[in-house]
Amino acid sequence: EIVMTQSPATLSVSPGESATLSCRASQSVSSNLAWYQQKPGQAPRLLIYGASTRATDIPARFSGSGSGTEFTLTISSLQSEDFAVYYCQQYNNWPPWTFGQGTKVEIK
Amino acid sequence: QVQLVQSGAEMKKPGSSVKVSCTASGGTFSSYSISWVRQAPGQGLEWMGEIIPIFGTVEYAQKFQGRVTITADEATSTTYMDLSSLRSEDTAVYYCARVEMGRFNYWGQGTLVTVSS
Repeated sequence: EIVMTQSPATLSVSPGESATLSCRASQSVSSNLAWYQQKPGQAPRLLIYGASTRATDIPARFSGSGSGTEFTLTISSLQSEDFAVYYCQQYNNWPPWTFGQGTKVEIK
Repeated sequence: QVQLVQSGAEMKKPGSSVKVSCTASGGTFSSYSISWVRQAPGQGLEWMGEIIPIFGTVEYAQKFQGRVTITADEATSTTYMDLSSLRSEDTAVYYCARVEMGRFNYWGQGTLVTVSS
């Protein structure tokens, strides 16, 4: 099973600033990496797949990069609606699909 | 527009079973996999298993082998997740999600299952 590790657990950011979230895989997942956003009381929403491709209707301030075992999600100019928990997920090896433990982006 | 609508919240006793449904609309049901993912209170996302209706194949996470059964009814575009021998640690929100090439692009609204004596 591929273990996904996210850092940091919590990121405090002021509105308008940028945020950089990290995700590391225990073995290579190539570019088969997705990012999700989850707000309280809501289901997760797909943001990024293929490590860097934005899903439908996702704003350009969200960008993903990386391949192999190291990945980054960058949110530029954070808006109020961006404060949420973000999860990475690998889909290179199945079963199982595996998620990171999440990074909470909170208002500083 | 693809929609996944799940059944309502459940309250169960330890040792019992729960069956959660997920009905899809707006797409070709058999062409995509449906996964089940759970989220315990304040915790992360945990994949439980997946069904591929067109092939009738199912895969389960090792942790849930023997305790979870995922089925699909193509006639009603509904997927079911049955979890048995419930314990308090199974208290969680259970989500279904449509899987396309490994990514979870549509999610149900979630079903809260509470296990308590």
